[in-house]
Amino acid sequence: DSGVTQTPKHLITATGQRVTLRCSPRSGDLSVYWYQQSLDQGLQFLIQYYNGEERAKGNILERFSAQQFPDLHSELNLSSLELGDSALYFCASSVEGKGLDGYTFGSGTRLTVV
Amino acid sequence: AQSVTQLDSQVPVFEEAPVELRCNYSSSVSVYLFWYVQYPNQGLQLLLKYLSGSTLVKGINGFEAEFNKSQTSFHLRKPSVHISDTAEYFCAVTPWNSGYSTLTFGKGTMLLVSP
Repeated sequence: DSGVTQTPKHLITATGQRVTLRCSPRSGDLSVYWYQQSLDQGLQFLIQYYNGEERAKGNILERFSAQQFPDLHSELNLSSLELGDSALYFCASSVEGKGLDGYTFGSGTRLTVV
Repeated sequence: AQSVTQLDSQVPVFEEAPVELRCNYSSSVSVYLFWYVQYPNQGLQLLLKYLSGSTLVKGINGFEAEFNKSQTSFHLRKPSVHISDTAEYFCAVTPWNSGYSTLTFGKGTMLLVSP
């Protein structure tokens, strides 16, 4: 157990639907990162939050949004889902904003859009 | 912006043989470098990192990597692999600057260790 908890582990949904992925960072970590992993694109950075505020944005689609709550857990919302959104979504956390001690990854949420 | 190229998508090797997984990066600024490992159905785990100092860094499970600034490389090596080393290995970089930044990952190299 890495200390980063992601729920649910698996999600199957239809095109056009909306889902919410949840992440609880490791205790003491202030920064949360979301990554999308697919076979063709590899690991793509989506968004970073630090202590409740958005700090960096990557290749995140407008249909996707995220937030970090006061208790530091984070949610990634994916809407108007398309088949191409099927992927493994990872959350990672770190103590500070650059992750120089390394990111701690959760075990991911596998999203399948049918 | 930074980019990372892992030259081999798959590296098959026999148990107890040495292995090198190659990583090259491109960046207009200095970078910090990392190697992560992903075992099947798990998240990524940090293997080792280079922040400063000696260019040869040692990590967990007997792995080491050498930073070569002139060749912009950070190759991962292990002198003798085990079956349990079968996993996907990712090289990553983040820029050496102040403020917030995130890791840019390579596409990964699958290490396949057979008996």
